[in-house]
Order: sequence, then structure tokens, then C-alpha cells
Amino acid sequence: DTGVSQDPRHKITKRGQNVTFRCDPISEHNHLYWYRQTLGQGPEFLTYFQNEAQLEKSRLLSDRFSAERPKGSFSTLEIQRTEQGDSAMYLCASSLGQAINQPQHFGDGTRLSIL
Amino acid sequence: QKEVEQNSGPLSVPEGAIASLNCTYSDRGSQSFFWYRQYSGKSPELIMFIYSNGDKEDGRFTAQLNKASQYVSLLIRDSQPSDSATYLCALSNQAGTALIFGKGTTLSVSS
Repeated sequence: DTGVSQDPRHKITKRGQNVTFRCDPISEHNHLYWYRQTLGQGPEFLTYFQNEAQLEKSRLLSDRFSAERPKGSFSTLEIQRTEQGDSAMYLCASSLGQAINQPQHFGDGTRLSIL
Repeated sequence: QKEVEQNSGPLSVPEGAIASLNCTYSDRGSQSFFWYRQYSGKSPELIMFIYSNGDKEDGRFTAQLNKASQYVSLLIRDSQPSDSATYLCALSNQAGTALIFGKGTTLSVSS
């Protein structure tokens, strides 16, 4: 049973550029989550998918952020016109059921650095 | 009041001792609680989850939940240097659509 896979592991880009991250959840996990984590803080929720439907988005998710999960399999998170404050670790997690009764398993994350 | 509060530490214990990590939360309706371990530069790794009041044991780890006091803890018995990490307490929001994390407690186990 492979774990959650995220790509790339690291991304360095200049301010103003667009970036896209990919997440492949654990097989048969219908529930997928994106979080963002900065140094010294716990992960902060960004968005949640059940199958292909995006059911919840955090207020943290500005208009520059968009996430998709076509066909209910892998997911992508895109950040447009990146800003210095976007520098963080972006974590993807998946679970068999909703967060209330099934634990989430995290991928290794994508570390984004904005120059 | 923050939704999930943890003492940031560092908590320092000698090898072989019991490490006690504590977490309080503000939402009385919270039902599901999780402990994750995170090594520096790595992603969170699930250690335990607990849904009912009382204790839940798994190897050297025991999670304790007291919903009346809005308190959840993690005990690590026979602490090892490899347990040195940040421990994140998390709870599910009531909709079951997200985890809410504390800032984490840094544990240092000295040999």
C-alpha cells in the first residue's frame, strides 16, 4: 500500500510566477485535503475534496489559489502570481472517510520558496 | 482562545523516562482527536487517534481523552532519542472536513 505521493518535493520560483503542485492519494482514499505549514506552526487547512467534488475551502485560500481533483484521483493545487508570503510547505493528505472518523495520512509535502 | 493549544516546549526528558504531552481545545463539540509526530523538515506522521473518553494504548504510546475538561494528552513510555520530534495535536472540525492543528510541542530525549 503506497502512501500519499506529492510532486515536486521542492519548488523555487520568482515572485509573480505561477506554480502547480500534484498530489496522488493512497489508493481507494476518496477524501483528499490540502494544508499549508509555515515554520513553527501546525498545518493549516486549505481545501477538501470528496471524490472530484471540492466541498470546503478555507478563508486562507485566496483567489490566487485553485485546486482541482479531476476524476476523483490525483489533485493539483495551483498558485498564481506567487508572493513572498506563499513560501511554505504544502501538504496533501488523504483518508478513507471523513476527518471525523478516519485518520488522515500525509504525503512528504512540497516545499515552496519564493525568491 | 485558540482552538487547539499546546505548550511549544521544548520538553526535555532523559532516555527511558515518560514524556507527557498535553493539548487543550475550545470546541466542546469536537469528537475526534489525533496525535502526529513530525521530524524536522518532514511531514506529519500519524501516531494515534482517539474518539472516546479514557485511555487508548498502542505500544509505548498512550492517548488520554477527557471531553469534559476539553483535554487530550499523549504519554510516551520508555522515551528514546529517536522520539525527539515535534508532536502535533489535531482535532476534526464538526463537519468532518478538516483537521485543526495546534502549533506542536517539541520533545527532546537525551541519552
